[in-house]
Amino acid sequence: GNSVTQMEGPVTLSEEAFLTINCTYTATGYPSLFWYVQYPGEGLQLLLKATKADDKGSNKGFEATYRKETTSFHLEKGSVQVSDSAVYFCALSAYYGNNRLAFGKGNQVVVIP
Amino acid sequence: NAGVTQTPKFQVLKTGQSMTLQCAQDMNHNSMYWYRQDPGMGLRLIYYSASEGTTDKGEVPNGYNVSRLNKREFSLRLESAAPSQTSVYFCASSEAAADVTYEQYFGPGTRLTVT
Repeated sequence: GNSVTQMEGPVTLSEEAFLTINCTYTATGYPSLFWYVQYPGEGLQLLLKATKADDKGSNKGFEATYRKETTSFHLEKGSVQVSDSAVYFCALSAYYGNNRLAFGKGNQVVVIP
Repeated sequence: NAGVTQTPKFQVLKTGQSMTLQCAQDMNHNSMYWYRQDPGMGLRLIYYSASEGTTDKGEVPNGYNVSRLNKREFSLRLESAAPSQTSVYFCASSEAAADVTYEQYFGPGTRLTVT
């Protein structure tokens, strides 16, 4: 079946540090891949996406590259800010015709000033 | 343009009580979704509606029913609430087409506690 695995545990880092959150997936066919972000007390919002192999999604300084050979879509940011503190979810869509998403468990990111 | 709205924001129920969570979107989207979010579990799909007039089960449909009232509205009903249904519930909507994947837009959530 279709599934997404994110690295375990929260991520705590200092302002201006480099952020990486790992995401790997299992899917039939050729899924689209997404990163969603959830700020405290809010719903999820799309951060970036990639729809085919080797595509790079980017937004707000975040980047992720769709790697078919390693079935991965790792999220990176070169210099985080306190305002990046949030929960980050990796997701895939491989259910043709109905746009369903399968989500990873999410990673809490805390950026300390 | 309000996007996706959900009511209520918070709710406390006793075991066995029933309630309906309401969701509406003003983006003219065809597809709508209900998720629950539990600590350490990510988001799990309860039910979805690919288009007006259709509904289908997701990963965790037991104990829930849904109604796609019209293109704008998609409600989630708990007929007899159980403590295991304590969660944060999110509604989402998106466009839909056979060969294109669209972004889902999420509401602010309903925090439900069942005692």
